[in-house]
Amino acid sequence: EAGVVQSPRYKIIEKKQPVAFWCNPISGHNTLYWYRQNLGQGPELLIRYENEEAVDDSQLPKDRFSAERLKGVDSTLKIQPAELGDSAVYLCASSWEQGRNEQFFGPGTRLTVL
Amino acid sequence: ILNVEQSPQSLHVQEGDSTNFTCSFPSSNFYALHWYRWETAKSPEALFVMTLNGDEKKKGRISATLNTKEGYSYLYIKGSQPEDSATYLCAFSSGGSYIPTFGRGTSLIVHP
Repeated sequence: EAGVVQSPRYKIIEKKQPVAFWCNPISGHNTLYWYRQNLGQGPELLIRYENEEAVDDSQLPKDRFSAERLKGVDSTLKIQPAELGDSAVYLCASSWEQGRNEQFFGPGTRLTVL
Repeated sequence: ILNVEQSPQSLHVQEGDSTNFTCSFPSSNFYALHWYRWETAKSPEALFVMTLNGDEKKKGRISATLNTKEGYSYLYIKGSQPEDSATYLCAFSSGGSYIPTFGRGTSLIVHP
């Protein structure tokens, strides 16, 4: 069974540039999560999808971040424009359902904003 | 904001040593506690999902216990091996939101 796929693995951009991350969850997983991990911190949830519906996005900085999960399968997270403070690892995870089900993580995208 | 604390922040042990670390979380409105292992350049991997007070779970040389009344979970590694070197993360979710809150992790390095 293929795991959660993320791309790119690494991205270096200059501030004010746009950037996009892509995630393909495990087949059949209804719930998809996007996390951001800053250096020395634990992962912080940005947005959670149940199928194609965003159900938790209170931590998503909506002025510059956007996300979509068309057709309830793969998902894209976008930042426009990027700021220096956006440098972090962006993790995608999926699970059968929210709550007690274990989450399966992708390898993450390490973003560096110069 | 839920406070999830992990200690120690980092740990260096010799191969063969047994070790343990702690995850502390709010003792009210408990829903689930997850442990993950995150090796460098790999994806975080789920170790345990713990849901009941007094739960004890084991996977090979790794085991975990849960005390929801006092708000802590211990992760034990028996006879550490270099391949156990990783960051160990715990994630707590409450019955109010189900959104997992992660601790900062414990970085374990096992020296041959």
